[in-house]
Amino acid sequence: EIVLTQSPGTLSLSPGERATLSCRASQSVVSNSLAWFQQKPGQPPRVLIYAASSRATGIPDRFSGSGSGTDFTLTISRLEPEDFAVFYCHQYGSSPQTFGQGTRLEIK
Amino acid sequence: QVQLVQSGAEVKKPGASVRVSCEASGYSFKDSYIHWVRQAPGQGLEWMGWISPDTGGTDIAQKFQGRVSMTSDTSISTAYMELSSLTSDDTAVYYCARWAATSAYWGQGTLVTVSS
Repeated sequence: EIVLTQSPGTLSLSPGERATLSCRASQSVVSNSLAWFQQKPGQPPRVLIYAASSRATGIPDRFSGSGSGTDFTLTISRLEPEDFAVFYCHQYGSSPQTFGQGTRLEIK
Repeated sequence: QVQLVQSGAEVKKPGASVRVSCEASGYSFKDSYIHWVRQAPGQGLEWMGWISPDTGGTDIAQKFQGRVSMTSDTSISTAYMELSSLTSDDTAVYYCARWAATSAYWGQGTLVTVSS
């Protein structure tokens, strides 16, 4: 099973700042099959990025994903008030699919 | 538009079983796997497995094997997840989801509470 470790656990930033979230896999993610989800309280997750670096339909271009192999990054270039939430990385290249434990992005 | 609509909240006693349904619309039901993901209160996301509505084939996480059954009825575009031998650790919101080519679609979630 691929274990995904996200860091930091909590990130405190202000609107307008840049956010960098990390996801490290315990072994190489097959075909860079890595997605990023955003989840707000009481809502299902929303996909932001798939295949490590492709933006999902309707996602603003301030969200970007990068990385390959075992190290992946989600960057939010300029934080908007609605961006504050919990973010999860998810690998879907190997069974069982797995999620990271999440990074909470909070307003400073 | 694509929609996944799940059945309502359930309260079950320890040792019982629960079945959650997920009705799909807005796309060809057979074309995509339906995944099941759960989230315990205040916790992260946990992938349980998927079912192919086209073939009936499944891939279920080892943790749940022997306790989870995933089925589908293509005549009504509905997938089902049944979890047996419930304990308090199974209290969670259960989501169905569809990974599409450039997006992902989720049901609204079904809260299953296990309590004596």
